[in-house]
Amino acid sequence: SAVISQKPSRDICQRGTSLTIQCQVDSQVTMMFWYRQQPGQSLTLIATANQGSEATYESGFVIDKFPISRPNLTFSTLTVSNMSPEDSSIYLCSVGGQSGANVLTFGAGSRLTVL
Amino acid sequence: GENVEQHPSTLSVQEGDSAVIKCTYSDSASNYFPWYKQELGKRPQLIIDIRSNVGEKKDQRIAVTLNKTAKHFSLHITETQPEDSAVYFCAASKNYGQNFVFGPGTRLSVLP
Repeated sequence: SAVISQKPSRDICQRGTSLTIQCQVDSQVTMMFWYRQQPGQSLTLIATANQGSEATYESGFVIDKFPISRPNLTFSTLTVSNMSPEDSSIYLCSVGGQSGANVLTFGAGSRLTVL
Repeated sequence: GENVEQHPSTLSVQEGDSAVIKCTYSDSASNYFPWYKQELGKRPQLIIDIRSNVGEKKDQRIAVTLNKTAKHFSLHITETQPEDSAVYFCAASKNYGQNFVFGPGTRLSVLP
């Protein structure tokens, strides 16, 4: 399965600032996703990162708050904009659907704490 | 849209006993059902999955059963060990691997 590198692994941020999370995959993948996991909660899909076009956002998530880039088939970024304490979460990059395999593989996650 | 429920939210068992976690889904078009294990501070990792054309799948101490008519599926862990302690998430997806919806999770504690 794909190896996913995500950074930063954790960060402490000030309210009102923005932070960009990077996700690098060791092979070309069609499907890349960004999930949020709030403390003690389940995994919620933020958006699907589409290569060469705008990301597809899930209900409750908007591009202005979570802009996503996908310049090629191995890399994506998620920016959390104008952060508030409610944005304190783990953000996980994931890839899936390769070569007919359905497995969704996750990166190690980026734990953000907003003060 | 799809809704996945999971029960129980917490489960404690004695080492060596069996554990069962149940999930229900709402969308009859869902056709792929994975189970993920997340240890504290770690990423979720796939432990077993099942497709809608199969009723049961087993991998050593872990098995998953699927009832399409009732729209529910279950994770069975036999001979539990302390290292099985973790949070387990079920998920449902359509199109064999897209549009995953996760259940709320079950915190399993295996007591020595």
